[in-house]
Amino acid sequence: RKEVEQDPGPFNVPEGATVAFNCTYSNSASQSFFWYRQDCRKEPKLLMSVYSSGNEDGRFTAQLNRASQYISLLIRDSKLSDSATYLCVVFPSLAYSGAGSYQLTFGKGTKLSVIP
Amino acid sequence: GAVVSQHPSWVICKSGTSVKIECRSLDFQATTMFWYRQFPKQSLMLMATSNEGSKATYEQGVEKDKFLINHASLTLSTLTVTSAHPEDSSFYICSAAFDGRGGYTFGSGTRLTVV
Repeated sequence: RKEVEQDPGPFNVPEGATVAFNCTYSNSASQSFFWYRQDCRKEPKLLMSVYSSGNEDGRFTAQLNRASQYISLLIRDSKLSDSATYLCVVFPSLAYSGAGSYQLTFGKGTKLSVIP
Repeated sequence: GAVVSQHPSWVICKSGTSVKIECRSLDFQATTMFWYRQFPKQSLMLMATSNEGSKATYEQGVEKDKFLINHASLTLSTLTVTSAHPEDSSFYICSAAFDGRGGYTFGSGTRLTVV
């Protein structure tokens, strides 16, 4: 099982639609989770942090299910500007990464295209 | 806050030459920086962890003599791709942690093309 797996995508949705992405992770000791957004040929930018059971920010809602080891991202009322690749990122425990380093593990990303 | 500046944004070089990429933390001190590489339609892959004042830690399969990392100060880390070859063409991104819970900030990336 891969460390971080995401829906393969691409997701093509009309403006105004609600879309959800799922992500599963293999390391049960993981302590922090993030959703990053990456536009084509650009660096990833933090969208949301998920430290406990979930987080909501405007149209975006992230949920964490530790028992099932998955994180989800829900986008409501999709905008054209939401078109991007969404990366699920997992931060393992310090014991896992060792040497006090902070090593993120990235999923391959799910591409979202919002269509007019 | 928590900005990482990366230069150059893109570079085209001839095969066999060396290219240096710089990453600076502008408003915070980064004792540790991370260097990633991303090939088209692939996820970011960690290449190495750069530690201020000590040797970098390289991931398995990454040649330390080819990808030279220097982290001489708390705000600057450099990655030098030596004797570049076309297969080294990729998107290189640096990153630093801005909090202790895994929140990262990324540089804007460097697109390297070796011809």
